[in-house]
Amino acid sequence: NAGVTQTPKFQVLKTGQSMTLQCAQDMNHEYMSWYRQDPGMGLRLIHYSVGAGITDQGEVPNGYNVSRSTTEDFPLRLLSAAPSQTSVYFCASSFGNLYTFGSGTRLTVV
Amino acid sequence: GQQLNQSPQSMFIQEGEDVSMNCTSSSIFNTWLWYKQDPGEGPVLLIALYKAGELTSNGRLTAQFGITRKDSFLNISASIPSDVGIYFCAGQQISSGSARQLTFGSGTQLTVLP
Repeated sequence: NAGVTQTPKFQVLKTGQSMTLQCAQDMNHEYMSWYRQDPGMGLRLIHYSVGAGITDQGEVPNGYNVSRSTTEDFPLRLLSAAPSQTSVYFCASSFGNLYTFGSGTRLTVV
Repeated sequence: GQQLNQSPQSMFIQEGEDVSMNCTSSSIFNTWLWYKQDPGEGPVLLIALYKAGELTSNGRLTAQFGITRKDSFLNISASIPSDVGIYFCAGQQISSGSARQLTFGSGTQLTVLP
């Protein structure tokens, strides 16, 4: 089915470990973005990309890196995980203002 | 960053009742969007509003874009058990360098009691 695919669905990391959250879309959308969802705070924008080779910071970028080498993929990297990064992460792609979200990655940092 | 104040934070209603939730902002938005999130899933778009004063329905859902462009409400009529979930408002501004970014409210957790 067409849409946004996120992997893994669940992950537990130790403080200081690194990992990459994968996101892929097959709708040929130029715009992709990463959000984190914390209780009572809605979704907050981490990084976004308006097309291959172009990325920019959102509201809460610290501790995260992104790259966009292809239209389809937009991975999110945690270089040195911290407990404050325990959250649910959503990737989205959009055409105009119509966003399609992935099903999320639940990350716990211990 | 910009803030969207969404209320109420949670609601417990009886099946069959109507429910209303709203979002307000100190900033003007060009577009208001309402999403629903089921447990373990990402948000899914319910209604999109593009003009100040616009009133749009999607089945039992009705949403309005406030005339000042700083607020929006969502009504659900005759609630059913599958309405359970978290409802988010989101506003979008079109500006250089941040085109199509969404600002989300904190969500309304809806519980429908049988």
